[in-house]
Amino acid sequence: AQSVTQLGSHVSVSEGALVLLRCNYSSSVPPYLFWYVQYPNQGLQLLLKYTSAATLVKGINGFEAEFKKSETSFHLTKPSAHMSDAAEYFCAVSDPKGAQKLVFGQGTRLTINP
Amino acid sequence: ETGVTQTPRHLVMGMTNKKSLKCEQHLGHNAMYWYKQSAKKPLELMFVYSLEERVENNSVPSRFSPECPNSSHLFLHLHTLQPEDSALYLCASSHRLPEGTDTQYFGPGTRLTVL
Repeated sequence: AQSVTQLGSHVSVSEGALVLLRCNYSSSVPPYLFWYVQYPNQGLQLLLKYTSAATLVKGINGFEAEFKKSETSFHLTKPSAHMSDAAEYFCAVSDPKGAQKLVFGQGTRLTINP
Repeated sequence: ETGVTQTPRHLVMGMTNKKSLKCEQHLGHNAMYWYKQSAKKPLELMFVYSLEERVENNSVPSRFSPECPNSSHLFLHLHTLQPEDSALYLCASSHRLPEGTDTQYFGPGTRLTVL
């Protein structure tokens, strides 16, 4: 079975500082990995995805994530935080060959301090 | 309309009511999903429809009844719900690929409150 662990349910950074949101996964097969963002009162928006091509994946809004098989990690980073980045972020894993099931982490709420 | 839309955005109902949530996708996808998002819990997959056939029912109580009349529309019929069913219900859609999973696109959700 696949699972995702997001370390830290709340992360707070200053505007202009580095954003690092951590995600570790467990999967018996090479996975597909996703980061989604959810702004208040909205649905989930895809930030980026890893599908076994390049291990460094660039997404929207200046975010990127690196797939590290040896560490079973897929951490999300952004060099310089902006106030508009305040939201909840979800990491998810799926089996590329299986049914269309996304397994989500519990989410990390990102707060940006002025 | 573009993307995935959901109506209503907010719904308050009593435990004896019957109501329905509607989802419509304008992306040409052929798979649709219902998720439940409760406070302090990870998103839970409830149902998956692929080519209008239900392919996944994730041990959801029978008071939730999905319907997929065509590849663009998905409903969730609700009856005799409990207060613990209060949550944000999210619809998503994707392409169903022979080789497996494609990216899921989400609607804005319906905020359900059961009194």
